[in-house]
Amino acid sequence: EVQLVESGGGLVQPGRSLRLSCTASGFTFGDYAMSWVRQAPGKGLEWVGFIRSKAYGGTTEYAASVKGRFTISRDDSKSIAYLQMNSLKTEDTAVYYCTRVRGRRNFDYWGQGTLVTVSS
Amino acid sequence: EIVLTQSPATLSLSPGERATLSCRASQSVSSYLAWYQQKPGQAPRLLIYDASNRATGIPARFSGSGSGTDFTLTISSLEPEDFAVYYCQQRSNFFTFGGGTKVEIK
Repeated sequence: EVQLVESGGGLVQPGRSLRLSCTASGFTFGDYAMSWVRQAPGKGLEWVGFIRSKAYGGTTEYAASVKGRFTISRDDSKSIAYLQMNSLKTEDTAVYYCTRVRGRRNFDYWGQGTLVTVSS
Repeated sequence: EIVLTQSPATLSLSPGERATLSCRASQSVSSYLAWYQQKPGQAPRLLIYDASNRATGIPARFSGSGSGTDFTLTISSLEPEDFAVYYCQQRSNFFTFGGGTKVEIK
């Protein structure tokens, strides 16, 4: 059974940093691209970024709203994807979901999400 | 950036009725369009990928159609568990989501 479990969320002050982790199980982690999607309270879904599998270079892409502040990385030996968030803003407050990317086109498995609150 | 516009914002229907949800893209996304269902307090669930293919375990009452810029998600006969918010998502140019359609009980 595929499982994605996010951790690392919490309350952080504006301008500070936070790192989220996504621990995967039930599939060959290294074979898949992984992505992060967020959802502000009461709002819709927003794609944050993704990281390709090593077979496709392990490169990353980001939404314009987070580019230069957020970094996605992966540790295939541990089946973990990370989201490093720097220079956090109040508008980054959201539930952050880790997702598996299916066929480089959509998100077939989702974690339960972890809440990040950016507030002074 | 490709913008996805979903309509209507809210759809009020009764169980057993047919639901038709629309998603329009600001430019062609070919068939790289997916649909998700989200219930309160839960993560989204993939329903349809590549415009018309049901994901694993999705009931046959859910169907998708369209290509290019106009797409439709149809629920042939609403079950009580289908009342939720539905999002479309494209993968032609990075990833973007539509704003969502809430299907509520009339």
